[in-house]
Order: sequence, then structure tokens, then C-alpha cells
Amino acid sequence: GNSVTQMEGPVTLSEEAFLTINCTYTATGYPSLFWYVQYPGEGLQLLLKATKADDKGSNKGFEATYRKETTSFHLEKGSVQVSDSAVYFCALSDRPSGTYKYIFGTGTRLKVLA
Amino acid sequence: NAGVTQTPKFRVLKTGQSMTLLCAQDMNHEYMYWYRQDPGMGLRLIHYSVGEGTTAKGEVPDGYNVSRLKKQNFLLGLESAAPSQTSVYFCASSWSQDLSYEQYFGPGTRLTVT
Repeated sequence: GNSVTQMEGPVTLSEEAFLTINCTYTATGYPSLFWYVQYPGEGLQLLLKATKADDKGSNKGFEATYRKETTSFHLEKGSVQVSDSAVYFCALSDRPSGTYKYIFGTGTRLKVLA
Repeated sequence: NAGVTQTPKFRVLKTGQSMTLLCAQDMNHEYMYWYRQDPGMGLRLIHYSVGEGTTAKGEVPDGYNVSRLKKQNFLLGLESAAPSQTSVYFCASSWSQDLSYEQYFGPGTRLTVT
């Protein structure tokens, strides 16, 4: 079945450091891929998305490229801020089933130190 | 627009008690979902609905029931709460015509079963 694998956290970085959070997936067909962010005590917010191979999603300085050849959708940011501290979830849409369900990774907690 | 709202925000139950969580959305979305979030396990789908009057089981449906009597509301019921159902519950909705299959999340309900 479909699955999403995310790198284990927590990830601790200093402010202005480069961020990479790895995400790989297994899926039949051509799923849409998403990164969601969860700030402390809040629900999930869409950070960025990509709907087909080679698409690059971007938002708030974060980027991720849909790589079909490596089945990856790694999240990157060139210079993190303390306000980026949150839990990041990679997800894919289970489109082939026709039900549009999401499959989530386990989440990666990011802590940015001033 | 309020988006997706959840009631209540917090609840403490004793084992064996019952309760209903309410999810409401004002975006006229056809699809609605209930997830639970547990540490180290990401979000797991409990039940979902692709339209008014329809529901289906997700990944972890045991111990829960749902109803979608109105398009804008999706109720999650626990008939006899167990400590294993201590979790944070998220509701989400999506639009059938959005080919990116983006889901919109509520702020969550934190449930503790003692």
C-alpha cells in the first residue's frame, strides 16, 4: 500500500541555518504531495504542495520538489528563524482509491535556537 | 469564513463514558475526515465522508462511530471511552473539484480518558 517515510526528529538548528527534512513515499499512480506545519497547540496548516512530477512547491521561504525518480519530496529552507519551530508533516493524497484520503508521515519536530 | 471548527477544544472522560465531537465547515466542502494524532505516529484516519449521508471507515475505526446528516457537519462519537482513545482529534474537509486534493484542518480536540 501507499506510505510516507519522514526523517526522525527532533531537529535542532541555530537561527539562519539551512534546513532539510527528508520525505520519501511509496505510491501507485501519481499522488499529490504536501507539507503541513503544526505550531504548538494549533491544528495543521498547509505549507506547500505539488501535484505532479518536477513541480516545485514554495511558501514562506520553504521549498520542496516532487521527484518521481527518487520518490522524494524533501523540505528545504535556506535560513530558518525561531518562528519556524514547529512540527512538519509530509503527506500524500491517496488519489487512485478515489477517496482523496491522506497518508501522513510521522512528523518531524524542528526547534530553532536564537 | 470560519473555515473548519471543532467543539469542544478539551474534554476529560472517565472510562466507559460516551461523548460526541462536532466538526463544522462553512466552505461547502463535500469531503470530511476525522483523524487522531498520537505521539510518534503522525495522523491516522478514523472515518471519512464523501458526502451528506455517507460515511466510510479509515485506518483506525474501532471504538468510534460517525454521522454526516448535514453537509456542513461531521460528528464523531465514542460510545464507551477507553484510555487508549486518549488523543488529539482533528477534523478536516476538502473540495471535490480541487484537483490538488488539499485538506483544511480544524484546531483539534484534546481528549483524555482516565
